[in-house]
Amino acid sequence: QVQLQESGPGLVKPSETLSLTCSVSGFSISSGYYWGWVRQPPGKGLEWIGNIQHSGHTYNNPSLKSRLSISVDTSKNHISLKLTSMTAADTAVYYCVRDIGFLELDSWGQGILVAVSS
Amino acid sequence: QAALTQPASVSGSPGQSITISCTGTSSDVGAYDYVSWYQQFPGKAPRVIIYEVTGRPSGISNRFSGSKSGYTASLTISGLQPEDEADYYCSSFTTSTSYVFGSGTRVTVL
Repeated sequence: QVQLQESGPGLVKPSETLSLTCSVSGFSISSGYYWGWVRQPPGKGLEWIGNIQHSGHTYNNPSLKSRLSISVDTSKNHISLKLTSMTAADTAVYYCVRDIGFLELDSWGQGILVAVSS
Repeated sequence: QAALTQPASVSGSPGQSITISCTGTSSDVGAYDYVSWYQQFPGKAPRVIIYEVTGRPSGISNRFSGSKSGYTASLTISGLQPEDEADYYCSSFTTSTSYVFGSGTRVTVL
């Protein structure tokens, strides 16, 4: 059974860069599918951030594209997210997800709450 | 990209059927049959209950069904049960080769 685990800082200062990692167990990223990120501000709805295939091909949310970088490390079986120029509007629970086809997100991490504050 | 439009809340009595709408545009819902629906309980990660408009993942009750007409997708919950009380989100692939979620609907079982 595939498991996803997010890790990273729980607090980021405004204008800084957020770096998160998603470690995957029970399934090799190299075997296929897309792997990505979804976020949810406290008390609000879901927002798709982007995803990546083992080959490195990515799809990104156009509204975040200029600040966003998603990468994959198949040797470590994990993906990473970098989001630059963080503001309070980026405060959210960030989920790591497996996309088995056109946003059929069948596996989710537990989520990590990232707050942006000085 | 603007979120797909869903009603903020829908309610029904146990045993009734309810339908949640998800309205998009010609650039998303109207363009592809790649609409998914998610159920989320407070403090938990969402889970997919419908994919590709009508598909139902293994283990999901057949009380959940999806459909689409034009720019609007719909999720119907038949035989509403207390455990169906949750937030529901639709999502769609877009012509920008990205994805967009709906604004979310809180389902209340009276």
